[in-house]
Amino acid sequence: DQQVKQNSPSLSVQEGRISILNCDYTNSMFDYFLWYKKYPAEGPTFLISISSIKDKNEDGRFTVFLNKSAKHLSLHIVPSQPGDSAVYFCAASVPGTASKLTFGTGTRLQVTL
Amino acid sequence: NAGVMQNPRHLVRRRGQEARLRCSPMKGHSHVYWYRQLPEEGLKFMVYLQKENIIDESGMPKERFSAEFPKEGPSILRIQQVVRGDSAAYFCASSPPSKNIQYFGAGTRLSVL
Repeated sequence: DQQVKQNSPSLSVQEGRISILNCDYTNSMFDYFLWYKKYPAEGPTFLISISSIKDKNEDGRFTVFLNKSAKHLSLHIVPSQPGDSAVYFCAASVPGTASKLTFGTGTRLQVTL
Repeated sequence: NAGVMQNPRHLVRRRGQEARLRCSPMKGHSHVYWYRQLPEEGLKFMVYLQKENIIDESGMPKERFSAEFPKEGPSILRIQQVVRGDSAAYFCASSPPSKNIQYFGAGTRLSVL
């Protein structure tokens, strides 16, 4: 049972444009959401997170939006840069300061020149 | 401040041998998590440990797999009598006691011949 879903396996965006990566979840107990970026042969790198009490969190070029009623979140990258090309994973956790993360299957973003 | 350290980066074992994967968390982090990633899939939670305690092992296979995080030294993920299906990337993450964000190591890629 895939509780966190990333339905787009890949996305191609031109440099300078906006990249929008989507994530849906089914478990209404999730209250904390994270985005990680992963390059080949490396571990996931934390990008940005959002608590369920918020609907938006921004950090530089990265903004995460949360729609609790739709059980949907998205990551916006503006402007996209070639170095952003990587696999992006959405992850979620249930209440508690330390608990396991449930990951989506990832979206491969390619930023073209 | 060094990140999460995992070794070895690559491990080759023949069927029936034992595999030992090591993880040293970031300084000040008392929570360790192990995840497994099969090709073209997301990361799957295996086990969550604190010093000398297994907190959540709901993702661990019932047989052949074990994990520990002793008072001194790194956390160890041990796989006995490896089979080809154990071939995967194994990632360790750590977090401080008061935060939900997990920081990942570069992973150990296990290949079973």
